Amino acid sequence: ELKVEQNPLFLSMQEGKNYTIYCNYSTTSDRLYWYRQDPGKSLESLFVLLSNGAVKQEGRLMASLDTKARLSTLHITAAVHDLSATYFCAVDMNNFGNEKLTFGTGTRLTIIP
Amino acid sequence: DVKVTQSSRYLVKRTGEKVFLECVQDMDHENMFWYRQDPGLGLRLIYFSYDVKMKEKGDIPEGYSVSREKKERFSLILESASTNQTSMYLCASSFFNGFYEQYFGPGTRLTVT
Repeated sequence: ELKVEQNPLFLSMQEGKNYTIYCNYSTTSDRLYWYRQDPGKSLESLFVLLSNGAVKQEGRLMASLDTKARLSTLHITAAVHDLSATYFCAVDMNNFGNEKLTFGTGTRLTIIP
Repeated sequence: DVKVTQSSRYLVKRTGEKVFLECVQDMDHENMFWYRQDPGLGLRLIYFSYDVKMKEKGDIPEGYSVSREKKERFSLILESASTNQTSMYLCASSFFNGFYEQYFGPGTRLTVT
């Protein structure tokens, strides 16, 4: 059974600081997804990482994937208040015909002025 | 842009009622999913469908059924609603484009009293 673990589960950080959210998964896969969820809203896709060493960046967020370590990171640079949200990573089983994603439990990020 | 819509944003039903949640996607995606989201439990897959009239159980199918008569529409049915089915319900769709990125609807917050 594929397991996906995120840490930390909760994160409060000050504006302007840097921090990293970690996503570990338990099986071989080179397809990993990051989503954002604002309070009371649905999930919005942020990044799709498709190979070992993949790095994607948008604004103050940068995601990377190390398939050998089965680890993805979401790095926040110089945090601002509107990055406050819950962030989920998800992994698929890396084979055609298996359409499910397994989600981590999410990291609730709060940016404090 | 992919659009996934859900029939209601908020719904209040009584215990024992039959409840229908509808999800429609406009991008001809093969795969559709129903999740429920509860605080501290992340996203849990209820059912998914990879083709018209095809369905597979997810992690928590008990108390639910689904219907997919047309490719664009996936319905979740609570045969006899109970208070422990009070939750946020999220629908998603995907297709294979080398990967299985899921696109989410806005969610339905269901309260069963």
